[in-house]
Amino acid sequence: AQSVAQPEDQVNVAEGNPLTVKCTYSVSGNPYLFWYVQYPNRGLQFLLKYITGDNLVKGSYGFEAEFNKSQTSFHLKKPSALVSDSALYFCAVSDSGSARQLTFGSGTQLTVLP
Amino acid sequence: DVKVTQSSRYLVKRTGEKVFLECVQDMDHENMFWYRQDPGLGLRLIYFSYDVKMKEKGDIPEGYSVSREKKERFSLILESASTNQTSMYLCASSIQGSYNEQFFGPGTRLTVL
Repeated sequence: AQSVAQPEDQVNVAEGNPLTVKCTYSVSGNPYLFWYVQYPNRGLQFLLKYITGDNLVKGSYGFEAEFNKSQTSFHLKKPSALVSDSALYFCAVSDSGSARQLTFGSGTQLTVLP
Repeated sequence: DVKVTQSSRYLVKRTGEKVFLECVQDMDHENMFWYRQDPGLGLRLIYFSYDVKMKEKGDIPEGYSVSREKKERFSLILESASTNQTSMYLCASSIQGSYNEQFFGPGTRLTVL
């Protein structure tokens, strides 16, 4: 079975500081990894994904994520946070070896303080 | 841009009522999904469909059914609504392949009294 863990329910960071939102995963085959963001009263928006290749993936709005196979992690990062980045962030995984669809983490609420 | 629309943003129903949630996508995607979102639990997959008239159970199908008569439309049905089905329901679509991102609708907040 595939699973995702987001160990932090809430992350607070000051505007202009770097931010990290953590994600670890478990799959039996090779992972496909995704980050989505949800602004208040909105659906989820795709940020970035890792399929294969370079471990550092760049996505929308200046976000990037680093795939670490040995630590089974896929942490979301941004060098300089903006107040407008405040939102709910979800990590998700699917297993390349099966037809199983995405499994989502429980979400991390990011608050960027002015 | 891909557009996924859901029939209602907010819905209030009574226990025992039959409830229909409609989802339409305009990008000819093969896959469509229904999730429910609850605080602290993230998104949980209820059902998905990879083709017209095809459906697969997700993680929490109990109490729900689905219908996909046309490629662009995927309906979620609560045969007899219960209070524990009060939740945010999100529809999504994607092209085939588990490596492809899903596109989400705005969600329907359902309250069952």
